[in-house]
Amino acid sequence: KNEVEQSPQNLTAQEGEFITINCSYSVGISALHWLQQHPGGGIVSLFMLSSGKKKHGRLIATINIQEKHSSLHITASHPRDSAVYICAVTPRGGGADGLTFGKGTHLIIQP
Amino acid sequence: EPEVTQTPSHQVTQMGQEVILRCVPISNHLYFYWYRQILGQKVEFLVSFYNNEISEKSEIFDDQFSVERPDGSNFTLKIRSTKLEDSAMYFCASSRKWNTEAFFGQGTRLTVV
Repeated sequence: KNEVEQSPQNLTAQEGEFITINCSYSVGISALHWLQQHPGGGIVSLFMLSSGKKKHGRLIATINIQEKHSSLHITASHPRDSAVYICAVTPRGGGADGLTFGKGTHLIIQP
Repeated sequence: EPEVTQTPSHQVTQMGQEVILRCVPISNHLYFYWYRQILGQKVEFLVSFYNNEISEKSEIFDDQFSVERPDGSNFTLKIRSTKLEDSAMYFCASSRKWNTEAFFGQGTRLTVV
């Protein structure tokens, strides 16, 4: 069973700061997902990646398969980025296994 | 933009009652999932459904739980006899194929009293 660890658990930063959230997992995967959960509870998919790097606006996600590690970066952070950021992994192999989730990183961006 | 919709958004039920949580996945998606998140804890996988049958289920998904796709559009999660510890946010998700991006509904907050 894959263990997904995120750090930090909580992060408070000032508007404009560069943010990094880390995720590590214990067993080889097919893909890694970065998700955003707002206070209302809804979950939105930000990225799905299995190698390299992806960028969407101010968000960048990287993954190192050999190191079993991924990072989510937010450039020029803004108060509206305040949310819980969750790392989740798809196990290797066929079938329709669900995602295994990390505990999330609670990010607060202060104006 | 297509989205996964869940109803109701919030349900309060008496312990021992049956509840049915409903989801309408994105129409051309083939894989469907239920997850739950107990308050303050991480999201946990319950069950996946493909080709009109359960594909995988976790140890949480015991005999009290069942899923159904009754009419080709809805995807339901039934809890037969609710317990206090079933109180959680339940998320439905769907994906077009295995190992593609998952789209989540807004969740149903279930409160068992």
